[in-house]
Amino acid sequence: NAGVTQTPKFRVLKTGQSMTLLCAQDMNHEYMYWYRQDPGMGLRLIHYSVGEGTTAKGEVPDGYNVSRLKKQNFLLGLESAAPSQTSVYFCASIQPTVGTEAFFGQGTRLTVV
Amino acid sequence: KNEVEQSPQNLTAQEGEFITINCSYSVGISALHWLQQHPGGGIVSLFMLSSGKKKHGRLIATINIQEKHSSLHITASHPRDSAVYICAVRGGGSNYKLTFGKGTLLTVNP
Repeated sequence: NAGVTQTPKFRVLKTGQSMTLLCAQDMNHEYMYWYRQDPGMGLRLIHYSVGEGTTAKGEVPDGYNVSRLKKQNFLLGLESAAPSQTSVYFCASIQPTVGTEAFFGQGTRLTVV
Repeated sequence: KNEVEQSPQNLTAQEGEFITINCSYSVGISALHWLQQHPGGGIVSLFMLSSGKKKHGRLIATINIQEKHSSLHITASHPRDSAVYICAVRGGGSNYKLTFGKGTLLTVNP
């Protein structure tokens, strides 16, 4: 099925540990995004990519790194997890053409203890 | 001030009622999205609008570009409509970033 797939769906980390979240889309979309969702804050943009090999900072990039080595995959890395990074993370993709929908992954619930 | 403001933040209705959720934005946009998120669930796109009005079943979305305002209507509401409804705007030109409102939590009681 076409869509956006995030892995893992759940993860518990200890403070200081590292991990990588994977976002994969099979719609050949150029633009991909990583958001975090926190109670009362809405979704906030962490990093985004407008094409293979490109990345850019969003609204809340500190503590995260990203890579887009392949067009279909957008990776979000936490090098040294902190409790403030406890959140639900969503990936989204879109084709930069007028009239196209945005597609979202199912989310990754991350807890840092 | 947030670029995207939704109202109300919380809404409780009885089954069958007509629901309206509002979204105002302060920037130029190329499109506006209405999204639905069930508790603990993923985000699903309901509508994408750049002008006028769209209808899917019991859901209707309208946008007024001049007034920078959009509304999501639910006719004959049902408990399964209970969810968070999120408005998101896409920037104009080549800026395809989405900026989100904080969402409206809708609870429809039987």
